[in-house]
Amino acid sequence: QQQVKQSPQSLIVQKGGISIINCAYENTAFDYFPWYQQFPGKGPALLIAIRPDVSEKKEGRFTISFNKSAKQFSLHIMDSQPGDSATYFCAASYNNAGNMLTFGGGTRLMVKP
Amino acid sequence: AAGVIQSPRHLIKEKRETATLKCYPIPRHDTVYWYQQGPGQDPQFLISFYEKMQSDKGSIPDRFSAQQFSDYHSELNMSSLELGDSALYFCASSLVAGAEAFFGQGTRLTVV
Repeated sequence: QQQVKQSPQSLIVQKGGISIINCAYENTAFDYFPWYQQFPGKGPALLIAIRPDVSEKKEGRFTISFNKSAKQFSLHIMDSQPGDSATYFCAASYNNAGNMLTFGGGTRLMVKP
Repeated sequence: AAGVIQSPRHLIKEKRETATLKCYPIPRHDTVYWYQQGPGQDPQFLISFYEKMQSDKGSIPDRFSAQQFSDYHSELNMSSLELGDSALYFCASSLVAGAEAFFGQGTRLTVV
């Protein structure tokens, strides 16, 4: 049973457009929700993260929206650029020492010039 | 800024051989995580250590073992390698419980 479900699996966006990736989680004990960006052959790099006491967090062109009652959160990439083309993973964990991240299945984003 | 360092970056082993992967966390980070990522898959959690003690265990085969040493570096030991063990293995570290985890560049293991 996948505890974090991510959609879409792939996404094509024109340069300058908005990329939106959605995630839903099952475990209500989760209290930390990061997004990672991964380029081929590289490790996941932390983009932005949110905790459930906040409904939205913005860092530059990246925004996380969080809906605790619906157990959903999403990543918005504004003014998408070709350099944003990568695989994006949402993840969730809970606030205990050494607790692992549970990842969504990933979204392969392609931004067309 | 210093990042998580993994070695080796690439490793080719034959079936039934043994492999050891090393991870050096970001300085002062006390928590280390190991993940396995197959082609086109999301990272799957294997095991984690907090202050040199195993803190959580995921889908790690019995053929694999890991430990965290006094200098906080960690090693993943993999024995009786199988073709299906071919994957990217990532190590991540974090400073305290619940903090952001930073990933290394990974070790690409190929079992032939």
